[in-house]
Parts: sequence; structure tokens; C-alpha cells
Amino acid sequence: AQKVTQAQTEISVVEKEDVTLDCVYETRDTTYYLFWYKQPPSGELVFLIRRNSFDEQNEISGRYSWNFQKSTSSFNFTITASQVVDSAVYFCALSEARGNQFYFGTGTSLTVIP
Amino acid sequence: DAGVIQSPRHEVTEMGQEVTLRCKPISGHNSLFWYRQTMMRGLELLIYFNNNVPIDDSGMPEDRFSAKMPNASFSTLKIQPSEPRDSAVYFCASLAGFIGGNQPQHFGDGTRLSIL
Repeated sequence: AQKVTQAQTEISVVEKEDVTLDCVYETRDTTYYLFWYKQPPSGELVFLIRRNSFDEQNEISGRYSWNFQKSTSSFNFTITASQVVDSAVYFCALSEARGNQFYFGTGTSLTVIP
Repeated sequence: DAGVIQSPRHEVTEMGQEVTLRCKPISGHNSLFWYRQTMMRGLELLIYFNNNVPIDDSGMPEDRFSAKMPNASFSTLKIQPSEPRDSAVYFCASLAGFIGGNQPQHFGDGTRLSIL
């Protein structure tokens, strides 16, 4: 079973639309960490945000916001007023305190159309 | 601060040749990871070092692949002999601490490898 599921393989939106990227995780650990990474067309992987399992506060950073809900094992990422520069593949990842690796989702490819 | 540095950025070689990819982690980071990314298989962890010691190499595809970390500031991933199916982007990443902690991995820009 997938530890991290990103069910949306590809999403296209028109510029200035809001878009939410879904991430569902699976773990039995009580202590774990969730991450989002961005991979723009240039190819590098850029760390965006980290959340620990004890902190369910949502976070906002500019046009980006993250909604962490333990009840549904989800850590969704919303981009408000999307821009062309947001076009990228976005990866969600999980690290378990008792685990031995990062678990990456398969990524969601976001295309923002001008 | 310098990030994770990988070299070369691009490598094109013929099958059968030896390929060596290099990585310099962020100073002070004591965990290092090698990943392979392809369209078909996504991002795969190949091997993970902590304090220069290989902790998990279960993702290394076969004996043709080997990785070393002779010191805290340098690692290599070697493929010998290379095959066309090894064509992929290879990423190196480092983090301060160990997997299971709250630190994110920081990735290099990757090496785009093409085996003809």
C-alpha cells in the first residue's frame, strides 16, 4: 500500500484560479512529519514546507496554504490566484519517527495556463 | 550557503561504460541520499548514508550500482557497466540529522544521465 497518495496525476487551471493539491498519507506512528516539495520544469526539487504530527495548525505563506487534518490523514496544499510560475510537479512526503526513509508520493503535475 | 552540489549536470555515454556521479552535501548535514527519477517509476530511493555509513541500500537496483561516502563532504554513485535502462535523473540529497526527524531533505540539481 502507498504510504503517500497523490491521487491527482495532472491538473490544469487557468491563471488566477485557485487550486488544491491533495495528499493522503498512511502511518501507524504517532510522531511523523509531512513535507511538500516543488519540482519546476528546470528539474530541481525545492523544499516548501514541513509539518509535524503534533501541530495541526494550518499554515499560510503568501499565496500558498496548507491544510493538515489528522482525522482524514490529509495534508492538502492550496495555491490561491495561481500564476504561470506555479507550473511544476508537486510532491508530498512522509517521514516516520520510527521509520527508515522518506516516503514520497508520485507527484501532481500542475499546469497553469495563461 | 551552498546547497547540495552534484556533478556532472549532464552525462551522455555509451552502454558498457562506467559512470560516476558525484555529490557534495551541505556542510554539517550527516545524512545523504541518492535517488533516481524516471517517468515510469517516479522518485526512487537508492541508498541512504548516515555519518558516512550506508544504512539502507535496498533500493540499489543491482550489482552494477555501487555508492560510497569516504568522508562527510563527498559521495559517489557508480554504475558499471551502464545500460540504456539506467537513463534517468539522479538526485543527491542531504539532511541534518536522520530520517525520522523533522528536518527536510535538501536536494541537489540532479544529474541527467543518458546511456546510448
